[in-house]
Amino acid sequence: QVQLQESGPGLVKPSETLSLICAVSGYSISSGKYWGWMRQPPGKGLEWIATFYHSGSTYYNPSLKSRVALSVDTSKNQLSLKLASVTAADTAVYYCTSDSNTWYWAYYWGQGTLVTVSS
Amino acid sequence: QSALTQPASVSGSPGQSITISCTGASSDVGGYDYVSWYQQPPGKAPKLMIYGVNNRASGVSDRFSGSKSGNTASLTISGLQAEDEADYYCSSYTSSGTLVFGAGTKVTVL
Repeated sequence: QVQLQESGPGLVKPSETLSLICAVSGYSISSGKYWGWMRQPPGKGLEWIATFYHSGSTYYNPSLKSRVALSVDTSKNQLSLKLASVTAADTAVYYCTSDSNTWYWAYYWGQGTLVTVSS
Repeated sequence: QSALTQPASVSGSPGQSITISCTGASSDVGGYDYVSWYQQPPGKAPKLMIYGVNNRASGVSDRFSGSKSGNTASLTISGLQAEDEADYYCSSYTSSGTLVFGAGTKVTVL
């Protein structure tokens, strides 16, 4: 059973870079599956950020692509998200997600972590 | 890419059936069988309920079913129960190679 746990600073200053880690347990990232991130501003709907496949293919939300960086640390079985030049509009609960077969949906979700952008 | 259109709220009495619509365009919902539905109880993470228009995710009750006609997808909950109270979101793959979500529908069990 795949389990995902997000972590990172809860408060980020405007114009700085948001950095989050997703610790994966129950499955080795390098063995397969799709891994990604979604977010949800307080009181609002879901937004897809990006997804990558273990073999290297990566899919991005075009509206965020220029500011997003995904990476994987297979030795720690973790994936990371960096979002540059943040503004208040980036305040949201960020979810780590995964699916066995596709990037069109996500079966596994972390509990989410709230990141607030404020000075 | 415009968000998919969902009703803000839907309600029903226990035991009734309700249907949530999700309207898009030929470039997303109408063009691909890559529609999914998520259930999100208050304060919790979303849970995948339906994928590929009408496939129930593992462990999901058969009271939940999905369908699509033209540019509109639908999620039907039969035999409504108190535990079904939650926000429901639809999502679709788009011709731009992205994923788009609806704004969400709040389901209330009367």
